[in-house]
Amino acid sequence: NAGVTQTPKFRVLKTGQSMTLLCAQDMNHEYMYWYRQDPGMGLRLIHYSVGEGTTAKGEVPDGYNVSRLKKQNFLLGLESAAPSQTSVYFCASSYHPDTFSDTQYFGPGTRLTVL
Amino acid sequence: LAKTTQPISMDSYEGQEVNITCSHNNIATNDYITWYQQFPSQGPRFIIQGYKTKVTNEVASLFIPADRKSSTLSLPRVSLSDTAVYYCLVTRTSGAGSYQLTFGKGTKLSVIP
Repeated sequence: NAGVTQTPKFRVLKTGQSMTLLCAQDMNHEYMYWYRQDPGMGLRLIHYSVGEGTTAKGEVPDGYNVSRLKKQNFLLGLESAAPSQTSVYFCASSYHPDTFSDTQYFGPGTRLTVL
Repeated sequence: LAKTTQPISMDSYEGQEVNITCSHNNIATNDYITWYQQFPSQGPRFIIQGYKTKVTNEVASLFIPADRKSSTLSLPRVSLSDTAVYYCLVTRTSGAGSYQLTFGKGTKLSVIP
């Protein structure tokens, strides 16, 4: 199993550009999450999904949109990037119905710089 | 949701036991506590999870007092490879898939030879 993978690993954008970050998991997890991590701030939840076709806002959702069209994929979109969105973005997944475990498994992260 | 507070950093010598405490004064009845470990340029990795009292697994122990306003991660006999940032997480599920999460800002543990 590959676990949780994220694409791309690095990206540089100019202010106002748009992009989509892709997260994929092969563990049949129901729940998926997007976090951002800034120096000294820990991890902050942007959006999450508790199942295919459902999404919900986390702590810092402004400026981001998400979609979960397939159970294994969770997309994070930036419609108009701003320098304040420069960060490392982590995707995670959890909760296998058969095991009732909600341990989160994290991807390797995407380092995004907005100029 | 409960705000979490952890020490910013800690130093320890190899072979010693390390205890990292997280404060979560406003924890609610149904909230539970999880600890993660993160190495540079990697995503966090699960260490241990608990609701109350004591939980132990092959790598750590988690102590939660009766009032649950704090929790302590205990790492026995640390080695250089335990040098990492440790995060405390409080999670609240409110039914119908509603989630609230609060990660602490992390404790940077440095293990000294």
